[in-house]
Amino acid sequence: LAKTTQPISMDSYEGQEVNITCSHNNIATNDYITWYQQFPSQGPRFIIQGYKTKVTNEVASLFIPADRKSSTLSLPRVSLSDTAVYYCLVDSNDYKLSFGAGTTVTVRA
Amino acid sequence: EADIYQTPRYLVIGTGKKITLECSQTMGHDKMYWYQQDPGMELHLIHYSYGVNSTEKGDLSSESTVSRIRTEHFPLTLESARPSHTSQYLCASSEALGEQFFGPGTRLTVL
Repeated sequence: LAKTTQPISMDSYEGQEVNITCSHNNIATNDYITWYQQFPSQGPRFIIQGYKTKVTNEVASLFIPADRKSSTLSLPRVSLSDTAVYYCLVDSNDYKLSFGAGTTVTVRA
Repeated sequence: EADIYQTPRYLVIGTGKKITLECSQTMGHDKMYWYQQDPGMELHLIHYSYGVNSTEKGDLSSESTVSRIRTEHFPLTLESARPSHTSQYLCASSEALGEQFFGPGTRLTVL
C-alpha cells in the first residue's frame, strides 16, 4: 500500500476555497487516488477519485500532476457543514484501503 | 444513497459476554469490510471479504471473527468482550474500484 501524507489540520472561513494537498511518493502505475469525508460519529463518505490531471464533480475537484506523486483536493466556497475529516487514499485495487490520520478541516463563520 | 445497515447502533455490555454486530447491504456488493475506529483516531481495517465463504484478516489484529454465508450479510462476533474492545465498528461494502459505502457504525462499550 502506498503511504500518504497530508496535513493534520486546516482552518478556513465560510465562502473560502480549501485546498488539501496529499503526498503519495510511492504510488504505483495502476493506483488511483481517492478522497473520503468523515463527520463525527459517522462512517466515511466517498468524495472523489482520480488517476491523473483533473477530476471535478458537484462536491469537489481533484488535481493530480503528471508525476502523480501528490494530489490536491479543492473544496470551493466551503460552509460550516464542510467541517469534517478528509482522507486521502491510494487505491491499489486490492480492496484494502489505508485511511491514515486524515486532515481535520474546520470552517468558521 | 447507499443501503448498508448496522445494528445495534449503540451497545453497552459487560465483560465476558458474547456479542455479534450485524451488517447488511442491499446493493449486491461482493466485497465487504469491517473497520475499527477510536474517537478522533484512524480507521483500521480488521476484516474483509471478497465474497461468500471468503474472509480475511485486515491490517489490525483483532480478537473478533467474521463470517460471510450470504452476500448481503457480514456479521462480526466477539466471543468474550473486554473493555479493550470498546470502540466504534464500521462496516462497508464495495463493488467498483475505490468507492466503499459505509454503514452508520456501532459504538460498543464494554464495562
